[in-house]
Amino acid sequence: DAMVIQNPRYQVTQFGKPVTLSCSQTLNHNVMYWYQQKSSQAPKLLFHYYDKDFNNEADTPDNFQSRRPNTSFCFLDIRSPGLGDAAMYLCATSSPGVQETQYFGPGTRLLVL
Amino acid sequence: DAKTTQPTSMDCAEGRAANLPCNHSTISGNEYVYWYRQIHSQGPQYIIHGLKNNETNEMASLIITEDRKSSTLILPHATLRDTAVYYCIVKYSNKLVFGAGTILRVKS
Repeated sequence: DAMVIQNPRYQVTQFGKPVTLSCSQTLNHNVMYWYQQKSSQAPKLLFHYYDKDFNNEADTPDNFQSRRPNTSFCFLDIRSPGLGDAAMYLCATSSPGVQETQYFGPGTRLLVL
Repeated sequence: DAKTTQPTSMDCAEGRAANLPCNHSTISGNEYVYWYRQIHSQGPQYIIHGLKNNETNEMASLIITEDRKSSTLILPHATLRDTAVYYCIVKYSNKLVFGAGTILRVKS
């Protein structure tokens, strides 16, 4: 089945230690998204790629970076995680267009010690 | 972005229809209404979307008022597995802007 895969499902890191979360897709979608979801809150868009074109949300902290080496893979890098970065990180993909549906992965839950 | 207003929570008896309302009074003509749900600790799941006409698929029905200022998501026969947060989103671009959503509790 075509799908969005996120690994690992759970990630523990130390305060200030860089961490990378990964997302892959078999849907061959042009657009890939990263969302942050803190406990009891709604998902919040961090940035998205349209092919290799990177689009950052205005209020996304500089501590968050992303890479998309090819169509299938996208990475979220947190350069110096703080306690406030503990959250669920969700990857989604879609074809371009306002009526194109976004499909989400299961998420990676990040714990910062 | 057009904003949506949803009730904070709703209860529904198992086997009955669940009707989840959403107000989007500032919606523009080219904006779609999308519904997603999120079961605890999982990624959001697409349910249905529409522009003007009512829509139905294997999961749900979407009823959009003629003036497009509100809509209702209908789960025809709710089961315990439908317990989730339901998000109504007005979409004008590639982006989804999630509001607080409605917590639907299906009870036996």
